[in-house]
Amino acid sequence: KAGVTQTPRYLIKTRGQQVTLSCSPISGHRSVSWYQQTPGQGLQFLFEYFSETQRNKGNFPGRFSGRQFSNSRSEMNVSTLELGDSALYLCASSLQGQRNEKLFFGSGTQLSVL
Amino acid sequence: AQKITQTQPGMFVQEKEAVTLDCTYDTSDPSYGLFWYKQPSSGEMIFLIYQGSYDQQNATEGRYSLNFQKARKSANLVISASQLGDSAMYFCAMREVYNNNDMRFGAGTRLTVKP
Repeated sequence: KAGVTQTPRYLIKTRGQQVTLSCSPISGHRSVSWYQQTPGQGLQFLFEYFSETQRNKGNFPGRFSGRQFSNSRSEMNVSTLELGDSALYLCASSLQGQRNEKLFFGSGTQLSVL
Repeated sequence: AQKITQTQPGMFVQEKEAVTLDCTYDTSDPSYGLFWYKQPSSGEMIFLIYQGSYDQQNATEGRYSLNFQKARKSANLVISASQLGDSAMYFCAMREVYNNNDMRFGAGTRLTVKP
């Protein structure tokens, strides 16, 4: 069974640009979560999608958005990039997003904003 | 408010010895799950062990065990017989029904295993 796939692996953007990150969950998983990881702030929850609906959102500005498609694939978009958006963005999936389900993580997208 | 607290930014352990990584959590939800993940320098997040709030026994997975003290809201990870490959960041995490089951992480502990 293929794992969680994130593309691209690395991205370099400049301030003010926008970026879209992609995540394909494990087959059969309907819940997809996104996290931002930085050395200073650790792993911060961005949002979670289940059956194409955003179920919960972390404490991030509206520049961060996402969506989920009918095949459970998810995209995350960051508009008007700032230097502080430089981070490792991790996507994770689980079957239903229940409290007893572990998350399966992708390898992440390393975003550098110059 | 910080829900998951890992008070040890860094830990050192001698190869083949056991080590305990601390984790305390804060919740008023009676139904929650506790997780530990390992993140090597390569960046991937590797699931280690799970403990449910209603589980009566401490979870074990090979060399990993979870010392679950519910009344103290503590879920410490014990790694027995440390190996050089155990050197990594370790994250404690929790999912609460009250929080829509989103997984929230602690700040992590960097473990270094010395030969």
